[in-house]
Amino acid sequence: QQQVKQSPQSLIVQKGGISIINCAYENTAFDYFPWYQQFPGKGPALLIAIRPDVSEKKEGRFTISFNKSAKQFSLHIMDSQPGDSATYFCASISSGSARQLTFGSGTQLTVLP
Amino acid sequence: KAGVTQTPRYLIKTRGQQVTLSCSPISGHRSVSWYQQTPGQGLQFLFEYFSETQRNKGNFPGRFSGRQFSNSRSEMNVSTLELGDSALYLCASSPRGHSGPYEQYFGPGTRLTVT
Repeated sequence: QQQVKQSPQSLIVQKGGISIINCAYENTAFDYFPWYQQFPGKGPALLIAIRPDVSEKKEGRFTISFNKSAKQFSLHIMDSQPGDSATYFCASISSGSARQLTFGSGTQLTVLP
Repeated sequence: KAGVTQTPRYLIKTRGQQVTLSCSPISGHRSVSWYQQTPGQGLQFLFEYFSETQRNKGNFPGRFSGRQFSNSRSEMNVSTLELGDSALYLCASSPRGHSGPYEQYFGPGTRLTVT
């Protein structure tokens, strides 16, 4: 079964701190790893994504770190802000015929002012 | 570019009824996928359509069906509604053809409540 395991389930960080969310996958056919941000009442919004031939990708305050051998990837939010408070989902997709997004269970991030 | 739009945004139905949800993808996007989001099961893939053909289907019963029109707009239908079908139904569009890119962009969802 294709699975993506995400942790922690919830995270509380002080303003200015670093938020770290981790994901692990099982299917070695996965070759695209996006992160989505979802606010209450909204659909998930694509935040940042990485392919397995790259170990790190940074966009502004958001960084994905990727460890292919360990089949793990993580999202780092630097200088976390109260506006970052949302639910974050990691996801994976394979290049095979079944190319649907497989999502992690989500992390509810709260950034305290 | 306008984003993915979904109608209606909210829907209340009675058990046993059927419902049709609509999705208009981002202009130029030919792939439309549907997902169900619930607190217990999270985000789960329903199906994907490309050029009016279903290319991929998730592990949902046959009561869940969909279609795509020539203008890439898509509808999904749920027949014989059950209480467990209460969820946020999300549509995502992607520009990809038979090979990358993989980016999918989500609409705001339709909140379905079955009573």
